[in-house]
Amino acid sequence: GENVEQHPSTLSVQEGDSAVIKCTYSDSASNYFPWYKQELGKRPQLIIDIRSNVGEKKDQRIAVTLNKTAKHFSLHITETQPEDSAVYFCAARREYGNKLVFGAGTILRVKS
Amino acid sequence: DADVTQTPRNRITKTGKRIMLECSQTKGHDRMYWYRQDPGLGLRLIYYSFDVKDINKGEISDGYSVSRQAQAKFSLSLESAIPNQTALYFCATSDLPGYPGTDTQYFGPGTRLTVL
Repeated sequence: GENVEQHPSTLSVQEGDSAVIKCTYSDSASNYFPWYKQELGKRPQLIIDIRSNVGEKKDQRIAVTLNKTAKHFSLHITETQPEDSAVYFCAARREYGNKLVFGAGTILRVKS
Repeated sequence: DADVTQTPRNRITKTGKRIMLECSQTKGHDRMYWYRQDPGLGLRLIYYSFDVKDINKGEISDGYSVSRQAQAKFSLSLESAIPNQTALYFCATSDLPGYPGTDTQYFGPGTRLTVL
């Protein structure tokens, strides 16, 4: 089955700097890759996703890149703000697949 | 997201007790899921259901059972709770996957369960 590894487990950045979180996956048939953000005491919410037919997707200050050959994808947050502090989860799934497999999560702390 | 609700929000119970966690949704989604969240382990799938007559085990189903009473309701039971089932439990719903805009999983607010 699919296995998703996520690094780093914790990340501290200064406000205004960029943050990058990387995930690797094992199932070469996976081709849907979402990212969820979980603020303290809240539920996870989708922030961005990408399918394997594109290499990069942007939404304002966040972007996701995908390298299918190397089987890894990354979340990039630019100009970080204190409200970006949260736990971020990556996940992978086959197209039309039954279930998501999540990474272990990254705690991002943005210091002001 | 108020469309997915969970009860109770917090529960403390003792080893050996039976406990049920309930999930309701008004999103009209057919697919529902139960996850468990532990620090450093991410979100792990316990059970999932694609319609009222469909129940599937996830990666950590041992010690748990589920019931899909209706399209909108999906319950998780711990038949005999043990301390290592102490965790944060999330219910989630989704539409049919594979189409832009329909892949999103919508999570409930979570139930914090403590087994003493």
